[in-house]
Amino acid sequence: KNEVEQSPQNLTAQEGEFITINCSYSVGISALHWLQQHPGGGIVSLFMLSSGKKKHGRLIATINIQEKHSSLHITASHPRDSAVYICAALSGSARQLTFGSGTQLTVLP
Amino acid sequence: EAGVAQSPRYKIIEKRQSVAFWCNPISGHATLYWYQQILGQGPKLLIQFQNNGVVDDSQLPKDRFSAERLKGVDSTLKIQPAKLEDSAVYLCASSLGALGRPNTEAFFGQGTRLTVV
Repeated sequence: KNEVEQSPQNLTAQEGEFITINCSYSVGISALHWLQQHPGGGIVSLFMLSSGKKKHGRLIATINIQEKHSSLHITASHPRDSAVYICAALSGSARQLTFGSGTQLTVLP
Repeated sequence: EAGVAQSPRYKIIEKRQSVAFWCNPISGHATLYWYQQILGQGPKLLIQFQNNGVVDDSQLPKDRFSAERLKGVDSTLKIQPAKLEDSAVYLCASSLGALGRPNTEAFFGQGTRLTVV
């Protein structure tokens, strides 16, 4: 069974700060998702990656397969980035997503 | 492209009552998932459909939860009778095919927030 751990659980930052959220998993995966969840519950997929790095606007996601670790970075953070960020690991054999418990990010103006 | 539609957005019921949630996946998506997300936790898979067949329902509490996807499109999730611990957000997601295939990712609905009092 894949265990997915996220850190930190809660993060408060000032507008403009560089933010890093970490995700580690216990068994090999075929892909890792970073998701954003706003109050009310809806989830938006930010990235799906299986190696290297992806960038979209101010968001950057990296993954190190050997170390079983991924990071989500937000540059020049803004209050509208405030949300819960969840990583989810896709196990190759099970083809199911195992979710981390999420990181509550609050960006203060 | 329309996203995954869920209704209702919010529901408050008393314990021992019944409740049903509805999900309309993205058109053409064969795989549909129901997740339960308890406050402060990540989503947990309840059931996965491939077209109208069940792929995995190992974590579905079958004594009170049921789900169906009769025509391989829309799906309903029912709880009967509800317990206090069922209070959670119920998320529906869909994907074109089975996850793990190249460029296949899951798309999530807005969720239904259930409060059992």
